Amino acid sequence: DVKVTQSSRYLVKRTGEKVFLECVQDMDHENMFWYRQDPGLGLRLIYFSYDVKMKEKGDIPEGYSVSREKKERFSLILESASTNQTSMYLCASTPPPRGRGEQFFGPGTRLTVL
Amino acid sequence: GESVGLHLPTLSVQEGDNSIINCAYSNSASDYFIWYKQESGKGPQFIIDIRSNMDKRQGQRVTVLLNKTVKHLSLQIAATQPGDSAVYFCAENYGQNFVFGPGTRLSVLP
Repeated sequence: DVKVTQSSRYLVKRTGEKVFLECVQDMDHENMFWYRQDPGLGLRLIYFSYDVKMKEKGDIPEGYSVSREKKERFSLILESASTNQTSMYLCASTPPPRGRGEQFFGPGTRLTVL
Repeated sequence: GESVGLHLPTLSVQEGDNSIINCAYSNSASDYFIWYKQESGKGPQFIIDIRSNMDKRQGQRVTVLLNKTVKHLSLQIAATQPGDSAVYFCAENYGQNFVFGPGTRLSVLP
């Protein structure tokens, strides 16, 4: 069974803290994505990666960075958390071809920045 | 609190009735579409997909209709059950991009 896991379901951080959100998939997928989900706005793409050590900016990359050192793991980093980064963060992966086909989602991490 | 306009549209249906959830997509070049179901506290789950060379696709109790002329997608759920209560949203895919709709909350009444 396909599985995408995220390191935390709920996270509370303070303004200015560095935050790491981890995502692991066990399907050997090349393509991985980070989204944030806010009420009424749908999912918005932050960053994505089509291969190890490769990353591309999505629609809203400001304030975020990512790391893909291993194929199965894609990390989202908030260098200095701010209150407007309070959101639900969803990780997803897809098999090749790049960017096509069903996206398999993790359960999400609800981040609150105080 | 939430601003007006950021609340999800809600569809309330009686258990056993059919549900129809609609989605307008933005790009006429989109050639692949997916419907997702998201239950409270969970990540989105794939329900059904359709490619642009089709106008209808059926799954188990679900049907997706695609009208490319007006860029409209709908999800029909037959004999709606309490377990169908969730947020449903569509996604359009063109090239390497996915664009997601904001979603509709389906509430199943006993």
